[in-house]
Amino acid sequence: EAGVAQSPRYKIIEKRQSVAFWCNPISGHATLYWYQQILGQGPKLLIQFQNNGVVDDSQLPKDRFSAERLKGVDSTLKIQPAKLEDSAVYLCASSLAASGGADTQYFGPGTRLTVL
Amino acid sequence: AQKVTQAQTEISVVEKEDVTLDCVYETRDTTYYLFWYKQPPSGELVFLIRRNSFDEQNEISGRYSWNFQKSTSSFNFTITASQVVDSAVYFCALSEFTGGGNKLTFGTGTQLKVEL
Repeated sequence: EAGVAQSPRYKIIEKRQSVAFWCNPISGHATLYWYQQILGQGPKLLIQFQNNGVVDDSQLPKDRFSAERLKGVDSTLKIQPAKLEDSAVYLCASSLAASGGADTQYFGPGTRLTVL
Repeated sequence: AQKVTQAQTEISVVEKEDVTLDCVYETRDTTYYLFWYKQPPSGELVFLIRRNSFDEQNEISGRYSWNFQKSTSSFNFTITASQVVDSAVYFCALSEFTGGGNKLTFGTGTQLKVEL
């Protein structure tokens, strides 16, 4: 079974530029998550989708970050404009369904973003 | 609020030594789930184990074992006869059901270095 796919794996941009990341979850997984992992820290949830609806985006900096999951499968996360502090690894994860905390989230390889 | 503490920032051992990674959590929920993930240098978070708050039975899987103690809010992870391939960052995580989703709170991770 194919795992969570993400692209690109690496991205280097100048501050104030825009960037987009793509994620394809495990087939059949209804729930998709985007996490931000700053160097030396654990991942922090940015946004969670169930099918194509947003479940939790309380920690998403909405002035510059946006995400969508059209058709309830693939998802894109965009940053516009990027700041130096956005340098991090962006991880996408998916799970079968939100089931009261029992779901196991499976992670993709991540996109390492460097903002210069 | 949920909180996960991994007090050990970095552990170095010599191959074949046993090593225990500590995890302490805080939650007000009576039902919750705990996870361990491994993050090798490639960056992908690899799921290792999931435990629910009703199941305090300790588990052994090959060289891995887990000790869940609800009385001390701890969920420790032991690797027996460590190998160089075990070198990675290990994250403990706590699952919170947010009424519409399933949010993971991660600790800051423990960097394990296994040397020859």
